[in-house]
Amino acid sequence: AQSVTQLDSQVPVFEEAPVELRCNYSSSVSVYLFWYVQYPNQGLQLLLKYLSGSTLVKGINGFEAEFNKSQTSFHLRKPSVHISDTAEYFCAVSDPRGSYIPTFGRGTSLIVHP
Amino acid sequence: SAVISQKPSRDICQRGTSLTIQCQVDSQVTMMFWYRQQPGQSLTLIATANQGSEATYESGFVIDKFPISRPNLTFSTLTVSNMSPEDSSIYLCSVVPPGLYTGELFFGEGSRLTVL
Repeated sequence: AQSVTQLDSQVPVFEEAPVELRCNYSSSVSVYLFWYVQYPNQGLQLLLKYLSGSTLVKGINGFEAEFNKSQTSFHLRKPSVHISDTAEYFCAVSDPRGSYIPTFGRGTSLIVHP
Repeated sequence: SAVISQKPSRDICQRGTSLTIQCQVDSQVTMMFWYRQQPGQSLTLIATANQGSEATYESGFVIDKFPISRPNLTFSTLTVSNMSPEDSSIYLCSVVPPGLYTGELFFGEGSRLTVL
């Protein structure tokens, strides 16, 4: 069985500062990895995904994530955040040799201060 | 991409009553799921809504409490029955986008349920 750990429940940061949201997963097999964003009073929207190939994945809104197989991590980064990035961020993992149904982390609340 | 509409977007209900949430997709999709998002918690899969047959429920969820219908490839309902305050959550409908299935999902905007 797979699991996802998002190490920080809340990350406060000032506008234009860099940010990293951490995600570690536990799985005995190769996985697909995802980051979703949930803005207030909205559903989840895909930010980026890793399926194979380059370990550095670029997504929407200037976000990127790096897949590290040896550390079983998929941390999300942005070099300069904006107030509008304030949202809940979810990391998810799916097993390409299983049911594909993703397992989600608990989410990290990114709070960007002016 | 698929556009997913959920109704109601939010509701406040009394203990012991039931509420049905609707999910309408603007295109035919094979796989639809219902998730629950409790405050500060991960998304938890309730069930897979199967077209023309009974839903497939995850451990901890039962049909009597969360009956699901899926009459066609664009529509599904989730009913939360005999509600208690512990059922206060966001309920999310999600679908698999067309193409190779990887685990990526499209989500509706959610139905925010408060039970008093």
